[in-house]
Order: sequence, then C-alpha cells, then structure tokens
Amino acid sequence: DQQVKQNSPSLSVQEGRISILNCDYTNSMFDYFLWYKKYPAEGPTFLISISSIKDKNEDGRFTVFLNKSAKHLSLHIVPSQPGDSAVYFCAASAQPSGNTPLVFGKGTRLSVIA
Amino acid sequence: GAGVSQSPRYKVAKRGQDVALRCDPISGHVSLFWYQQALGQGPEFLTYFQNEAQLDKSGLPSDRFFAERPEGSVSTLKIQRTQQEDSAVYLCASSPYGQGSYEQYFGPGTRLTVT
Repeated sequence: DQQVKQNSPSLSVQEGRISILNCDYTNSMFDYFLWYKKYPAEGPTFLISISSIKDKNEDGRFTVFLNKSAKHLSLHIVPSQPGDSAVYFCAASAQPSGNTPLVFGKGTRLSVIA
Repeated sequence: GAGVSQSPRYKVAKRGQDVALRCDPISGHVSLFWYQQALGQGPEFLTYFQNEAQLDKSGLPSDRFFAERPEGSVSTLKIQRTQQEDSAVYLCASSPYGQGSYEQYFGPGTRLTVT
C-alpha cells in the first residue's frame, strides 16, 4: 500500500507558465515533506521542504503548499523554465531530523516546452 | 565541497554472483541511508546507519542483502547470489544528525543489472 502517492506520472507545461505537481499521503504520522528533483543518471537533489506547522513555504520560483486535513501537498513552479524538466519526487517522514527514512512517491516527469 | 559518491556507477552481474556497492558519504555526516529504486518507481528504503551502528534494516528484502559501515564513514552494500529482481538503481544518502536537519543528500547511484 503506497503511503505517498503522485497520481500524475507526467506533466507537460509551456515555458513561462506555472507547473503544479501534486502529492497525496495516507499516513497521518507524517509531519515533514520534501520535494526532490532528479535528472537522468543523477541522484535526487533536494529542492524544498515543509513541516506540518506551516501551510506554505517559498523559495524563489518554488512554493510548496500543504493541506494537512486533506493529506495533500503541491509544488508550484513559477515561471517554469526548460531546465526544470526532470522527474520530481515527493517524500515524507514522521520526524524532522536526518535520521529517519524517507517514504517516496513514484515521481512525476515534468517537461517544460520552450 | 564533495558530495556523496558511489562506486561503481554501473554493474552487470550474472545471476548467482555476489556484488559489493560502495558509498562515500559527505564528510562528517552521521546518518547514512541505502535506498533501492526500481524502474519507474520512487526510491525505497533499505537500511540506515548512525555512525557505525545499523539502527534499521527493516527494508532489506532478503537475507541475501547485507550492509556495513565499520568505521562510521564509508558504507558497503553487499548482495549475495544476485537474482534478476535485484536489478535496480541503488542510492546512498547521507545527512547530518540533529533536530531540523532532515534533508538527505543523495549520491548518483549504482545501476545494477543482473543477467
């Protein structure tokens, strides 16, 4: 049973527009959520995170929104750039420190078209 | 500074062979994780070390999988008698220990193909 779900395997967006990637989770013990970006033949790279005490976290073009009651989070990229084309993974954990395994979704492949 | 490195980057093994995959974490990082990523899937947790202590190995799929980190730095994931279902990318991640530091930094992975 998947605890973290990314229901859209792929997303295509025009350059300059907004990209919205969605993630749902089932485990109510999750309190920390992270987005990772992955290029082919590279490891995942940390992008942005949010803890359950917040409902929004912003870093430049990237904003993550958390709706804890709906067990849903989303990543917004504005404006989208061709270099953003990658696979994006949503991940969750129950504890804040770096000593807890992350639970990942299956990923969403974002293609930004010039 | 240097990130997490893994070697080899690619490994082809015949079914039944033993393999050893190496991870060099970021210097000073206390926590080290191994994940397995099958094609089209997200990374799945295998095992976790805090320094040299293996605190969680609940994700190891069978007793053919063994991991160690004897000096609290470099770690090795060993797979004995490889099977075709072991074909995957094996990712290593490290993290500084401490409250609030919940980012894990990933290496490039080792792609294992079992023929």
